[in-house]
Amino acid sequence: DAGITQSPRHKVTETGTPVTLRCHQTENHRYMYWYRQDPGHGLRLIHYSYGVKDTDKGEVSDGYSVSRSKTEDFLLTLESATSSQTSVYFCAISEGLAGERTDTQYFGPGTRLTVL
Amino acid sequence: SQQGEEDPQALSIQEGENATMNCSYKTSINNLQWYRQNSGRGLVHLILIRSNEREKHSGRLRVTLDTSKKSSSLLITASRAADTASYFCAGAGSYQLTFGKGTKLSVIP
Repeated sequence: DAGITQSPRHKVTETGTPVTLRCHQTENHRYMYWYRQDPGHGLRLIHYSYGVKDTDKGEVSDGYSVSRSKTEDFLLTLESATSSQTSVYFCAISEGLAGERTDTQYFGPGTRLTVL
Repeated sequence: SQQGEEDPQALSIQEGENATMNCSYKTSINNLQWYRQNSGRGLVHLILIRSNEREKHSGRLRVTLDTSKKSSSLLITASRAADTASYFCAGAGSYQLTFGKGTKLSVIP
């Protein structure tokens, strides 16, 4: 398995509180991604990073922010959590060989977030 | 928007049978990828087929791609109980993958 860890693995929080999820990789891959997975929607891209301090929005970025200050860490922050953000969040990485942004992705184990 | 749409949504077969899952996508792609997800786990990459390829094999997996029909199929031969999982196709655009909703495969021992 690719060296990707996510923390925490489970979290229950209340509406209006800030939440930060962490993704850590040991593969030195260039690209990192945050997805959410919901029944009936599959996986949807929230934000992605193509290098340290370089990030961009995905399909469902409203209400989320990200930061990448080191190659190995990609943080996802919910500034003020809402019940609609209850989901399973997956981090993924890819090498980006030859500048290819869409080659194989390797996924972390996921974080189950419940917003009450 | 969903780049990939899998069909069927659920499939139940006996061990030893072949399983075929189909995927349709909407816009042009650089490649198409298939992933497997076991219950409660992250996705695992199975195979990638580029837009200029028509067929690709990996072990018991066979993937076809028809860019004129914007469709792909995943065939798992001689299925095993351990193949029970959800399978997702993902269309690769210029900067991201867009995943379908998945096919849930159950292989009955």
